[in-house]
Amino acid sequence: IAGITQAPTSQILAAGRRMTLRCTQDMRHNAMYWYRQDLGLGLRLIHYSNTAGTTGKGEVPDGYSVSRANTDDFPLTLASAVPSQTSVYFCASRPGPYNSPLHFGNGTRLTVT
Amino acid sequence: KNEVEQSPQNLTAQEGEFITINCSYSVGISALHWLQQHPGGGIVSLFMLSSGKKKHGRLIATINIQEKHSSLHITASHPRDSAVYICAGFSYDKVIFGPGTSLSVIP
Repeated sequence: IAGITQAPTSQILAAGRRMTLRCTQDMRHNAMYWYRQDLGLGLRLIHYSNTAGTTGKGEVPDGYSVSRANTDDFPLTLASAVPSQTSVYFCASRPGPYNSPLHFGNGTRLTVT
Repeated sequence: KNEVEQSPQNLTAQEGEFITINCSYSVGISALHWLQQHPGGGIVSLFMLSSGKKKHGRLIATINIQEKHSSLHITASHPRDSAVYICAGFSYDKVIFGPGTSLSVIP
């Protein structure tokens, strides 16, 4: 089934540890996004990639990095996790800019202790 | 002031009621996206519209570009409609999300 796969589904992580959240899509979408969702703050953009080989910073990029080596994969890395990074992380994609709808993964629930 | 706002923030309805969720925006957008998120679940696209009205089953979405306002209507609401509904404005490569409206439909 075409769509976006995120892994892991949930994770408890000790502060200071490194963690990579995985995101893979099989729809050949050019644009991919990482959002975090926190109660009362809604969805906030962390990083984005408009096409393979390019990435950009979103609204809340500090403490996170991304790479886009190919069209399908867009991993998000926390180099040294902190408790404020406890959140639900959603990966999303769409064919391109302009008026194309977003497709979301099922999310990764991350708790940093 | 948020660029995309929604009202109400929370809504409780009896099963069968007609429900309206509003979305207003203060920036120029080319399209508006309505999304649904069930408790503990993923986010699903409902509608994307740039003018007029769209209907899918019991859901109707309308947009007035001049007034910078969109509404999502649910007819004959059902407990399974309980979810958070999010509107998002699209402007070229930028997406601006509203804060969401939490809907609870009581049997």
